[in-house]
Amino acid sequence: NAGVMQNPRHLVRRRGQEARLRCSPMKGHSHVYWYRQLPEEGLKFMVYLQKENIIDESGMPKERFSAEFPKEGPSILRIQQVVRGDSAAYFCASSPRGLGNEQFFGPGTRLTVL
Amino acid sequence: AQTVTQSQPEMSVQEAETVTLSCTYDTSESDYYLFWYKQPPSRQMILVIRQEAYKQQNATENRFSVNFQKAAKSFSLKISDSQLGDAAMYFCAYRSLDSNYQLIWGAGTKLIIKP
Repeated sequence: NAGVMQNPRHLVRRRGQEARLRCSPMKGHSHVYWYRQLPEEGLKFMVYLQKENIIDESGMPKERFSAEFPKEGPSILRIQQVVRGDSAAYFCASSPRGLGNEQFFGPGTRLTVL
Repeated sequence: AQTVTQSQPEMSVQEAETVTLSCTYDTSESDYYLFWYKQPPSRQMILVIRQEAYKQQNATENRFSVNFQKAAKSFSLKISDSQLGDAAMYFCAYRSLDSNYQLIWGAGTKLIIKP
């Protein structure tokens, strides 16, 4: 059973461009979570999604950031008009339906904004 | 709101010796989960050990064990017989029992293993 997959592993964007980060959860998992890790800090919760639903986006900046988890395909975290402060590692985690106490993490996407 | 504090930015230990990483947290809840995650240079986040607050017995996982002091809101990680592969960032995290999400994370402790 493959783990949580994230791509790309590294993404470089210039200020003002768009960044799209993809996350494929583990097989059988229908819950996806996105976290952001700034340098020298722990992870910060951004958003929690189930298939076709955003359950909690309280940790997501109100502007420029959006997330989706369509019925088919990976979850996407989209950052529009990136700024240098968006440079961070973005982690996706997934958990199986009905089992709430462990999240399995992907390897992360390191976003660098020039 | 819950908070997690790791007061040791960096720790070092001689290979084969024992080291303890500290973590304290603040919550008004009585039931919750606590976790230790390891993040090696590859940046993959790996679950090391988990503790349910309603369990009095301290969790253990091979060379890793915790000292869970609920009244003191303390959750330290002990690594015995340290190995070079243990070098990593270690993060303490909290999650409410009622929540399937939103892990609350400490800032991390960098563990250095001296050969």
